[in-house]
Amino acid sequence: DGGITQSPKYLFRKEGQNVTLSCEQNLNHDAMYWYRQDPGQGLRLIYYSQIVNDFQKGDIAEGYSVSREKKESFPLTVTSAQKNPTAFYLCASSKQRYTDTQYFGPGTRLTVL
Amino acid sequence: AQKVTQAQTEISVVEKEDVTLDCVYETRDTTYYLFWYKQPPSGELVFLIRRNSFDEQNEISGRYSWNFQKSTSSFNFTITASQVVDSAVYFCALSEADTGRRALTFGSGTRLQVQP
Repeated sequence: DGGITQSPKYLFRKEGQNVTLSCEQNLNHDAMYWYRQDPGQGLRLIYYSQIVNDFQKGDIAEGYSVSREKKESFPLTVTSAQKNPTAFYLCASSKQRYTDTQYFGPGTRLTVL
Repeated sequence: AQKVTQAQTEISVVEKEDVTLDCVYETRDTTYYLFWYKQPPSGELVFLIRRNSFDEQNEISGRYSWNFQKSTSSFNFTITASQVVDSAVYFCALSEADTGRRALTFGSGTRLQVQP
């Protein structure tokens, strides 16, 4: 089945550690996105990529990094510079442009201990 | 600047009642797209509808219907004969085609609880 997978589902991190969240899609979509969701709030854009080897900062990119070496994969690294990383992270993809429908993965819940 | 407002933070209804979720948006673009997503307790966002700014026809899909009114900048979502499985957080979102902000802008969501 085509879709978006994210792993792990739950992730615990100690302060000062970097962690990498995985996002893979087999929808043959060009564009991929990372969003952060805090309790009771909407989604905020962290990074997006419209094509392999290219990505752009979103509204809250500080303390995060990404790579896009393959069309199918868009991993997100939460670095120690991110002051409040505990949140729910959602990955999405769309066919080409950001105006196309974005489809979401199941999310990763990150907790900093 | 673009903005999406969902003024209803939480709505509680009894099963079989009709319920309308409000969405008001702000944009300077003439070409834009509006979306509704459902987020059940599992957390994954489920796509419900995409509508472009040039298509003001209302849409019905089963028990779901959407009312798009450019004159009031609203894109409201109605669930007819609600069911317990409709319990979720619903998000309205906006994407602008002209100004180059290459992302969805989400509202803060409306939590719908359908009681049996």
